[in-house]
Amino acid sequence: GESVGLHLPTLSVQEGDNSIINCAYSNSASDYFIWYKQESGKGPQFIIDIRSNMDKRQGQRVTVLLNKTVKHLSLQIAATQPGDSAVYFCAEIVNFGNEKLTFGTGTRLTIIP
Amino acid sequence: EAQVTQNPRYLITVTGKKLTVTCSQNMNHEYMSWYRQDPGLGLRQIYYSMNVEVTDKGDVPEGYKVSRKEKRNFPLILESPSPNQTSLYFCASSLQGRAGDTQYFGPGTRLTVL
Repeated sequence: GESVGLHLPTLSVQEGDNSIINCAYSNSASDYFIWYKQESGKGPQFIIDIRSNMDKRQGQRVTVLLNKTVKHLSLQIAATQPGDSAVYFCAEIVNFGNEKLTFGTGTRLTIIP
Repeated sequence: EAQVTQNPRYLITVTGKKLTVTCSQNMNHEYMSWYRQDPGLGLRQIYYSMNVEVTDKGDVPEGYKVSRKEKRNFPLILESPSPNQTSLYFCASSLQGRAGDTQYFGPGTRLTVL
């Protein structure tokens, strides 16, 4: 498969446990955030998004938390499964209508059976 | 099946030899974009297109060209590739490129320039 990154932050979690992946952003004007999952040999895949007027959003087994005070975003994955092993990226958009996503460098999540 | 396709998936070439990486989407999306992904740097946008005949520079456009003559296709052109363009390239598309429009990514093209 493709090597996404050689020096990514890594997180190892036991199967069935919950995992939390963190992301810091620097632009206080950012108003839309997205989490992507990238499996080996594939392109990024949308997981969940959140707008800056919210502080929490839940999906299926995933929750995104946004703390605008400290410019921090987190992705919580409940009851992790082997298929959750991947690199996870946060991305932000500054200004609605601005088309450009700015991506973080990613975190590699490994699920231990 | 709704998808973004890229060709080729893997390419090894030599410095200065012009190449084109094709990208096609079948979702009638207006917005298309090219990214490169490098270790430790994440994904960085090269060029994007809001619609046919409308293209604009992203963060790292130097050494690249694009065209958008029809809605479904958005080829990436390297007129004179150099080794620093060795990277993993992704094409993406979304409905209108606005926040809230999910971007769909292609499978990637691994380019090596010798």
